Amino acid sequence: KQEVTQIPAALSVPEGENLVLNCSFTDSAIYNLQWFRQDPGKGLTSLLLIQSSQREQTSGRLNASLDKSSGRSTLYIAASQPGDSATYLCAVRLGGATNKLIFGTGTLLAVQP
Amino acid sequence: EPEVTQTPSHQVTQMGQEVILRCVPISNHLYFYWYRQILGQKVEFLVSFYNNEISEKSEIFDDQFSVERPDGSNFTLKIRSTKLEDSAMYFCASNNRGRWETQYFGPGTRLLVL
Repeated sequence: KQEVTQIPAALSVPEGENLVLNCSFTDSAIYNLQWFRQDPGKGLTSLLLIQSSQREQTSGRLNASLDKSSGRSTLYIAASQPGDSATYLCAVRLGGATNKLIFGTGTLLAVQP
Repeated sequence: EPEVTQTPSHQVTQMGQEVILRCVPISNHLYFYWYRQILGQKVEFLVSFYNNEISEKSEIFDDQFSVERPDGSNFTLKIRSTKLEDSAMYFCASNNRGRWETQYFGPGTRLLVL
C-alpha cells in the first residue's frame, strides 16, 4: 500500500530564506507526483506536476525534483516571502488505470516578515 | 481563469440526515473527483467519475455515498444518512485528460454532522 510522508511537519523561516520541503513515498511505481498549496479553509492549488520520466520541474521561485527509485521528491522555494505561508502537500498517482491521488501529510510553512 | 466551484461553503446537519454537496467542474473537463479531509488528517480520495459512471472508488465510498451528474454542468455527492464521522471538508476536482494532467480543486464544502 502506498504511503506518502512529508518532513518536516511544520517549518518557520525568516523572509528571504531559501528552503526545501521533503516528500517520500513507499512504492516507486508512480505515474506522476504533484505539489499543491493549501491555504487555511481553502481548496488546493496545484503548483507543479512531475511525470515519472522527469527529474524536475520549475515554476518561478519553485523547483520540484523527483527521484523515483529512492521514493523521494523535494520542493525548493527560493527567496521565501510571507505570502508563501501555507500548507504544502505532495500527492502521487500510481501507475496503471487509476486516476486517484494519494496525499502526503503536509508541511505547514510560516514565513516570518 | 476557469475555476471549480462548490456549494455550499459550509453545511451543518443532524446525524441521520441526507446531504447533497454540489460542484460545478470546469466546463470542458471530462473527469470528476471527490476527496475529503477530516480535520487534521490527510486528504483522502473518495471517488472518480468519467463518461457518466464511477470509474474508481475507495473503501470509504460505501453504500451511503452516491455521485451524480444530473446535467451538463453539475456534479453532486450525496450522503444518504450522515454519521458524526462524515464531518470533514469535501473537495471536488476535475480535469480533462485523466492521469495525464493535474486535477483542479474547488474551494471545498465544510460539513459538520451533529
